[in-house]
Amino acid sequence: GAVVSQHPSRVICKSGTSVKIECRSLDFQATTMFWYRQFPKKSLMLMATSNEGSKATYEQGVEKDKFLINHASLTLSTLTVTSAHPEDSSFYICSARDGTGAIEKLFFGSGTQLSVL
Amino acid sequence: LAKTTQPICRDSYEGQEVNITCSHNNIATNDYITWYQQFPSQGPRFIIQGYKTKVTNEVASLFIPADRKSSTLSLPRVSLSDTAVYYCLVGDEGFKTIFGAGTRLFVKA
Repeated sequence: GAVVSQHPSRVICKSGTSVKIECRSLDFQATTMFWYRQFPKKSLMLMATSNEGSKATYEQGVEKDKFLINHASLTLSTLTVTSAHPEDSSFYICSARDGTGAIEKLFFGSGTQLSVL
Repeated sequence: LAKTTQPICRDSYEGQEVNITCSHNNIATNDYITWYQQFPSQGPRFIIQGYKTKVTNEVASLFIPADRKSSTLSLPRVSLSDTAVYYCLVGDEGFKTIFGAGTRLFVKA
């Protein structure tokens, strides 16, 4: 199946720094990617929908200036957590929609564990 | 977006067949039903997708009744490595991926 690569898998940073997470679709073009965050033993919470060449659409309650999303190409979307604070510590996951088959499917990255000290 | 309801958890033993049912009463005509599996600290992995009746692949089967208001994921002869959270999603080509709580399957030896 299609592969979505997410990097880094784990990052530890000091409070106040910015962290960038990359999400790449390796063998298909993804016009739409999604970003989620997940707390321990909780479900995935959709943060935003990333559309290639246009602004991301954020879910209610998600600060767009805090979580900057850039989808500059059909294979790459980035999420930047700006001025990170301990409450931003979470598991972040991206997904990309592969519409090349008969039925669209979502493929997920392996996730990024962010720990803010 | 069709809301989904699943049991919070299921326990099973190795070698048993496990069925997890998902309710989606307000499923739309264009909606597909997709199931994902998630292990701790990993992204969800696609298991199976269907629209109606029965779909089977090398991993699981998906049963969808005629009214499509529910679906059942069937895992044949589970092993310890099938311990994971299973999510049922319903949507069409333009759907946002809104995850429900999922079902935590715990397989015991």
